[in-house]
Amino acid sequence: QKEVEQNSGPLSVPEGAIASLNCTYSDRGSQSFFWYRQYSGKSPELIMFIYSNGDKEDGRFTAQLNKASQYVSLLIRDSQPSDSATYLCAVKVNDMRFGAGTRLTVKP
Amino acid sequence: DAEITQSPRHKITETGRQVTLACHQTWNHNNMFWYRQDLGHGLRLIHYSYGVHDTNKGEVSDGYSVSRSNTEDLPLTLESAASSQTSVYFCASSEYREGPDTQYFGPGTRLTVL
Repeated sequence: QKEVEQNSGPLSVPEGAIASLNCTYSDRGSQSFFWYRQYSGKSPELIMFIYSNGDKEDGRFTAQLNKASQYVSLLIRDSQPSDSATYLCAVKVNDMRFGAGTRLTVKP
Repeated sequence: DAEITQSPRHKITETGRQVTLACHQTWNHNNMFWYRQDLGHGLRLIHYSYGVHDTNKGEVSDGYSVSRSNTEDLPLTLESAASSQTSVYFCASSEYREGPDTQYFGPGTRLTVL
């Protein structure tokens, strides 16, 4: 079992819809959880982090964390074509462990 | 503006050669990291450093080494390049060791080992 698992996708949503990206992790000692966005051929850039159970909102993005279920998700509201990218879930215990990423396509 | 740079951006080398990838950051961050990214595996940690003269092995450290002689630089050396080391390499830095420290990534180096 991989430490951080994500559906590889591709996930396709129409413009204006809500995109839901999911991530599960195996280490119950995980402390902090991150979502990075990576455009093709570019480096990852941080969207947001979360470390407490519940929801955290930042603009069109909402991260949700459920430590009991070892589950973290990212919701993107009002999806735009510019949101088309690969989204990486990362989990920190002693060091950072990344999922393989979910490729999101937002169709105009 | 503070930044993190990597050089070269592209490198082609032959099996068995020693290769060094450079990483330089002007954030004045204590923590620096090297990752490799391959299809289906995401980012995997190679080595990391929490300060000058400190280095630690990551998940996939075999065949790689690093040294930290100053705050700004963490060069990654492939002692004897192998075809399995063909990958995209990212350097990152962060400010804090504990808690939700954000890692800032360099632009990446695409390495091909023939």
